[in-house]
Amino acid sequence: NAGVTQTPKFRILKIGQSMTLQCAQDMNHNYMYWYRQDPGMGLKLIYYSVGAGITDKGEVPNGYNVSRSTTEDFPLRLELAAPSQTSVYFCASSYKNTGELFFGEGSRLTVL
Amino acid sequence: AQSVTQLDSHVSVSEGTPVLLRCNYSSSYSPSLFWYVQHPNKGLQLLLKYTSAATLVKGINGFEAEFKKSETSFHLTKPSAHMSDAAEYFCVVPTGGGNKLTFGTGTQLKVEL
Repeated sequence: NAGVTQTPKFRILKIGQSMTLQCAQDMNHNYMYWYRQDPGMGLKLIYYSVGAGITDKGEVPNGYNVSRSTTEDFPLRLELAAPSQTSVYFCASSYKNTGELFFGEGSRLTVL
Repeated sequence: AQSVTQLDSHVSVSEGTPVLLRCNYSSSYSPSLFWYVQHPNKGLQLLLKYTSAATLVKGINGFEAEFKKSETSFHLTKPSAHMSDAAEYFCVVPTGGGNKLTFGTGTQLKVEL
């Protein structure tokens, strides 16, 4: 059972480039999330989804987009990378509204 | 709105000594509260959760936390630290629908020989 799988683990982007962080879960969870983690700041919610076809903004959505065409996948798109988006990104999923999230191992993104 | 404050950004203990990681919450009612742990270069993992069933909550790896409404606290403790406990710990509170969580700023636990 793989759980939550994120790719890539590391990526360096130039300012203005675009990329997609992939996230897949095999636990048939309805809820999925994208967080970013910056040193000393905890985790901030970027976007979340409560089911296929439904997405909503979190605390820090600017500069990002998401889609949820299937239960399993929840990709995060950066359209015009900026240095402020240098961070570690975590995808997570949960079965229902229990507070227990299952996290991937993270994707470290550097924008130069 | 619910929020949490972790009072120490870094805590250092010797192996075999007790661990205390402090968290205060802000809420107009008794919220659900969680502790998550993040080992180096890994994702986060749920350590324990409080959902009003019992004020003393036991989690994995010998950790426990006590919900104290009078002090608005939810401190994490362990009687005897192990080297493998070295990690970052996050106090977490649900905020809003969709199972959204608000994370504290984290406490880095260092365990020395």
